[in-house]
Amino acid sequence: RKEVEQDPGPFNVPEGATVAFNCTYSNSASQSFFWYRQDCRKEPKLLMSVYSSGNEDGRFTAQLNRASQYISLLIRDSKLSDSATYLCVVILYNFNKFYFGSGTKLNVKP
Amino acid sequence: DGGITQSPKYLFRKEGQNVTLSCEQNLNHDAMYWYRQDPGQGLRLIYYSQIVNDFQKGDIAEGYSVSREKKESFPLTVTSAQKNPTAFYLCASSMTRGMDIQYFGAGTRLSVL
Repeated sequence: RKEVEQDPGPFNVPEGATVAFNCTYSNSASQSFFWYRQDCRKEPKLLMSVYSSGNEDGRFTAQLNRASQYISLLIRDSKLSDSATYLCVVILYNFNKFYFGSGTKLNVKP
Repeated sequence: DGGITQSPKYLFRKEGQNVTLSCEQNLNHDAMYWYRQDPGQGLRLIYYSQIVNDFQKGDIAEGYSVSREKKESFPLTVTSAQKNPTAFYLCASSMTRGMDIQYFGAGTRLSVL
């Protein structure tokens, strides 16, 4: 089983839609979580951290569900510019390990 | 401007040739990383270094070599032993020696002639 799994998509949504994707992790000792955004043929860029209490930044909301071992990213009022691949990262500090998910592709259509 | 600089942006390798990809950071970060990304795929860790003069193999180190003689520099050599080197190579750095948020350079696209 992979340490981190993401639905590769693509998720095809119209502008203005709300879309959510999850990232499941296998190790319950995972301690920190992040979402990155990667545009086509570009480098990944940090989008937001995921806190235990949840985290909101404008149209983006990230949440952590430790009981079910997944994090989520919700995008409200989707824009064309949100089209990208979204990668999750899980860190296990005690084991000096980190894992990137393979990414979920989002296409926002006009 | 603080950041991570990778060069060149595009690189072509001939059969049997070793090539070196440059990665420099002026963020004063302790740790640096090299990844390979194939089209439509996720990131795969090649090597990482948490401190000068020390580095560890990642998941796909075969056919690659690195050095970390200076804190700000972590060059990657793709050797002739790497039979399928065509990929997008990304360098990243993070502040501390432990696992931390990583910041990426713009990448180098390597192709075989």
